[in-house]
Amino acid sequence: KNEVEQSPQNLTAQEGEFITINCSYSVGISALHWLQQHPGGGIVSLFMLSSGKKKHGRLIATINIQEKHSSLHITASHPRDSAVYICAVRGIWETSGSRLTFGEGTQLTVNP
Amino acid sequence: DTEVTQTPKHLVMGMTNKKSLKCEQHMGHRAMYWYKQKAKKPPELMFVYSYEKLSINESVPSRFSPECPNSSLLNLHLHALQPEDSALYLCASSQLGLEETNEKLFFGSGTQLSVL
Repeated sequence: KNEVEQSPQNLTAQEGEFITINCSYSVGISALHWLQQHPGGGIVSLFMLSSGKKKHGRLIATINIQEKHSSLHITASHPRDSAVYICAVRGIWETSGSRLTFGEGTQLTVNP
Repeated sequence: DTEVTQTPKHLVMGMTNKKSLKCEQHMGHRAMYWYKQKAKKPPELMFVYSYEKLSINESVPSRFSPECPNSSLLNLHLHALQPEDSALYLCASSQLGLEETNEKLFFGSGTQLSVL
């Protein structure tokens, strides 16, 4: 079992739909990152969370530390949101902030 | 300027070639990273530089040689690579050094490397 598990692996939606991507982890963490990777490679850091909820535009990220679970929500989805969304955590045992444990990613496709 | 710039975007090299990947940022970040990413897999950390000193080497083979000439530049020198080294190589940076544990990472667009 991976330390970071994402679901679903693949998600197809129609434009305008509300989307949720889930991330569960099995270890104590000090931070959780949500990343977006478009075809062609570039990765964009969307959120870094250690508690609660963050919102940026149509994106909302929540984390429940007790349940070891985070969700990324996209409201009013658009085809340009099509990308791979990756959850990554920094374990509390890590002495370095640069060592992240990554999930396998969720491939999101939004059709017009 | 909030960009991390990587060059080249694509590179094809033979197993006997020597080449270099370059990464540049002008955000004043003091930590820089190299990641390797195979298709449909998450990134794997290779090296971390903190304040221009190599702080982490994740047991990377010596055919990969990192260099940090100054706080804005990060190079990855490649020599005698194998076909299995073909991957997307991503550079990233963060504002402060390793003692700051919960920082946002800024990634470049990557260099897609093919080793023939």
